[in-house]
Amino acid sequence: EAQVTQNPRYLITVTGKKLTVTCSQNMNHEYMSWYRQDPGLGLRQIYYSMNVEVTDKGDVPEGYKVSRKEKRNFPLILESPSPNQTSLYFCASSLRRLAGTYEQYFGPGTRLTVT
Amino acid sequence: AQSVTQLDSQVPVFEEAPVELRCNYSSSVSVYLFWYVQYPNQGLQLLLKYLSGSTLVKGINGFEAEFNKSQTSFHLRKPSVHISDTAEYFCAVTRSSASKIIFGSGTRLSIRP
Repeated sequence: EAQVTQNPRYLITVTGKKLTVTCSQNMNHEYMSWYRQDPGLGLRQIYYSMNVEVTDKGDVPEGYKVSRKEKRNFPLILESPSPNQTSLYFCASSLRRLAGTYEQYFGPGTRLTVT
Repeated sequence: AQSVTQLDSQVPVFEEAPVELRCNYSSSVSVYLFWYVQYPNQGLQLLLKYLSGSTLVKGINGFEAEFNKSQTSFHLRKPSVHISDTAEYFCAVTRSSASKIIFGSGTRLSIRP
């Protein structure tokens, strides 16, 4: 089954404790992206990657890191989480680098709480 | 810079009534437009998209949207809603040469029996 998986689905952590949210897709998609969803703000892009070893900042990259060492994986790293990073996070992938023409497939989401 | 405005944060309607969810965008160049749906506790999935051609676009689950270039709008419509349409709906826009998609703030559709 074609899908985007994220782990963990729920995470409660404390300020400053490094964490990684994994994202994996089995559709051989070139383009992958991370979003955060907050009430009243919709989805805001954190980082995206157009291919292996190619990443770029989205609209809200501060406090996050990503890497794209393999085509299928695109982990999101919070080196020192803070309470304002409490949010619902989505990973998405798309067939081509020009994401506009191709449907994005979304993972189920990771709900992160930082206390 | 592009932006997307969904004026209605919540839209309550009765079952079997028609619904329109509004979306306006701002862009000085040609755009591609999308509607995504997010069912409770799930990720987003594509409802429909406009790339070019006919301005009336039909999507899944009986939804359709009309691209209006002069009014820079892409409103989503359904003639008769069902309880199962309860979800949050996101309008999104991108340029043909862009690698980013801009999402609106979402409209929560609630269906009353």
